[in-house]
Amino acid sequence: EPEVTQTPSHQVTQMGQEVILRCVPISNHLYFYWYRQILGQKVEFLVSFYNNEISEKSEIFDDQFSVERPDGSNFTLKIRSTKLEDSAMYFCASMWRQNNEQFFGPGTRLTVL
Amino acid sequence: AQKVTQAQTEISVVEKEDVTLDCVYETRDTTYYLFWYKQPPSGELVFLIRRNSFDEQNEISGRYSWNFQKSTSSFNFTITASQVVDSAVYFCALKGGGSGNTGKLIFGQGTTLQVKP
Repeated sequence: EPEVTQTPSHQVTQMGQEVILRCVPISNHLYFYWYRQILGQKVEFLVSFYNNEISEKSEIFDDQFSVERPDGSNFTLKIRSTKLEDSAMYFCASMWRQNNEQFFGPGTRLTVL
Repeated sequence: AQKVTQAQTEISVVEKEDVTLDCVYETRDTTYYLFWYKQPPSGELVFLIRRNSFDEQNEISGRYSWNFQKSTSSFNFTITASQVVDSAVYFCALKGGGSGNTGKLIFGQGTTLQVKP
């Protein structure tokens, strides 16, 4: 069964460093998303991506964040200069059509020291 | 604005008990979708069910059942004869369906279910 994959599973970085989180969505899906979950809290929407551009972003998704779909398979989230408060689990999700469910990857746990 | 409320933060039951997880939502969209996801201790988010706003039929899948009531804006989830493997955090989520919606999910705070042997 096709699934969303994410790498790495855990990333530790120093404050101020850049990180890139990688995702491979399900191959025939058209809509892509990043969410984050701070430990013990709810899942929060960061950004949606469709037709090679951002379709919506939340207040959390400031200038330090960017997304890219550099080829036909990968979908990346970059944080330019990490802060302590960026420590969270980051989930990638993809969806085939607007009225379908989203399938989530296993997440990348980001720890900023 | 869209909002999902899961008022139960934690529920603890003994195996074989039935348990209902509550979900109340707010939206101005006439078309919308409701979801339940399970997050086991391993951390991934597992899709359980999707419900369209125009389909109020309740659904049963094995020990799981869902009660969707538009009149009270609720989409409750019942586990019958709970098992230890049901222990997880359960999230209810909402997605708008009108034009201009990007498909983003709005999640509730989650309910932690602990099933004791």
